[in-house]
Amino acid sequence: QKEVEQNSGPLSVPEGAIASLNCTYSDRVSQSFFWYRQYSGKSPELIMSIYSNGDKEDGRFTAQLNKASQYVSLLIRDSQPSDSATYLCAVNPRDDKIIFGKGTRLHILP
Amino acid sequence: EPEVTQTPSHQVTQMGQEVILRCVPISNHLYFYWYRQILGQKVEFLVSFYNNEISEKSEIFDDQFSVERPDGSNFTLKIRSTKLEDSAMYFCASSATSGGGNEQFFGPGTRLTVL
Repeated sequence: QKEVEQNSGPLSVPEGAIASLNCTYSDRVSQSFFWYRQYSGKSPELIMSIYSNGDKEDGRFTAQLNKASQYVSLLIRDSQPSDSATYLCAVNPRDDKIIFGKGTRLHILP
Repeated sequence: EPEVTQTPSHQVTQMGQEVILRCVPISNHLYFYWYRQILGQKVEFLVSFYNNEISEKSEIFDDQFSVERPDGSNFTLKIRSTKLEDSAMYFCASSATSGGGNEQFFGPGTRLTVL
């Protein structure tokens, strides 16, 4: 069974600090990795994708991938109250579907 | 910015009734998906669709479910005889490519309530 594991949180981070979200996955041949943000009652919104080992930066967001450790992370710099949401780690094993983790609830403290 | 749209936003139905959920994918995308999210649970894959055929489906997608692209823009999910446990948010998604690198963009969802 292919799984994506995340700590459910909540993760509380002071405004302006760095939020660090982590995820592990079970299928070693997974090719593509995504972070989605989901506000309560809303749909998942794609914020980052990463395909190769290392870091990928986009504005305040940095995704990190370590395929040997089967580990993906998302860093959010200068956290804002609007970043408060559930962050979903998602993995595309090799076919079309995306497998989602349960998500980590992030709460930015003003 | 192009986006996936879904109608209706909320559908209430009686157990045993048929429902059709509608989606308009992003116009230049070729790959279409349905996912569902039961309240408080994770997003689950139902089915993927390409070139007028199902390319992959999950165990959830049994004979009660079907998908169709009736014209050049719409993509529909039909549930033939709804059960209480079908109550969930249903998300349509689309992507320009498949396999590795297929960034999937989600619509706003349809909340299905089965009474």
